[in-house]
Amino acid sequence: AQSVSQHNHHVILSEAASLELGCNYSYGGTVNLFWYVQYPGQHLQLLLKYFSGDPLVKGIKGFEAEFIKSKFSFNLRKPSVQWSDTAEYFCAVNVGKLSFGAGTTVTVRA
Amino acid sequence: DGGITQSPKYLFRKEGQNVTLSCEQNLNHDAMYWYRQDPGQGLRLIYYSQIVNDFQKGDIAEGYSVSREKKESFPLTVTSAQKNPTAFYLCASSIGSGTDTQYFGPGTRLTVL
Repeated sequence: AQSVSQHNHHVILSEAASLELGCNYSYGGTVNLFWYVQYPGQHLQLLLKYFSGDPLVKGIKGFEAEFIKSKFSFNLRKPSVQWSDTAEYFCAVNVGKLSFGAGTTVTVRA
Repeated sequence: DGGITQSPKYLFRKEGQNVTLSCEQNLNHDAMYWYRQDPGQGLRLIYYSQIVNDFQKGDIAEGYSVSREKKESFPLTVTSAQKNPTAFYLCASSIGSGTDTQYFGPGTRLTVL
């Protein structure tokens, strides 16, 4: 069965620091990849997605992710975080069914 | 997404009672899904429906039931057979099934006392 692994359970950083969240999946075929974000008190929303083409995908709010097929990875990055980026981030892989990682809680300190 | 509504936001029930969670979408999406979110476990798929009058079990369907009588509605019933029903429940929809992007509702937090 496919699985999705997120490397960090909780990340704490200061404003203006760079953020990178790791995501690896186990499925070997063609995949569609997603990052979702859940801000405190809000519903889950799509941050970015990769279906095909350029492996560097840009999303909302300055986030980007890079698909590296050889490493089965889809890591999320942001060069300079803001306090408002405090949220829980979920990586997901869709091969006919959407499978989620366990999530990473990001806390940005002002 | 504003096109998917779930009600109520908070729900309390006594142990042994069945409870039905509502999910409505006005996005004209064919596919709808129910997930359960628990701390540290991400989202797990309970049931999904690719088309009206058809639905399939997800990874953790035991103790749950659904119906899909209308395209815009996909209610979830948490039965007394569900051993640990207290959780946050999320409904989602997508244009088609399979690999299409899913959009999520605001969720219902169910607490069984």
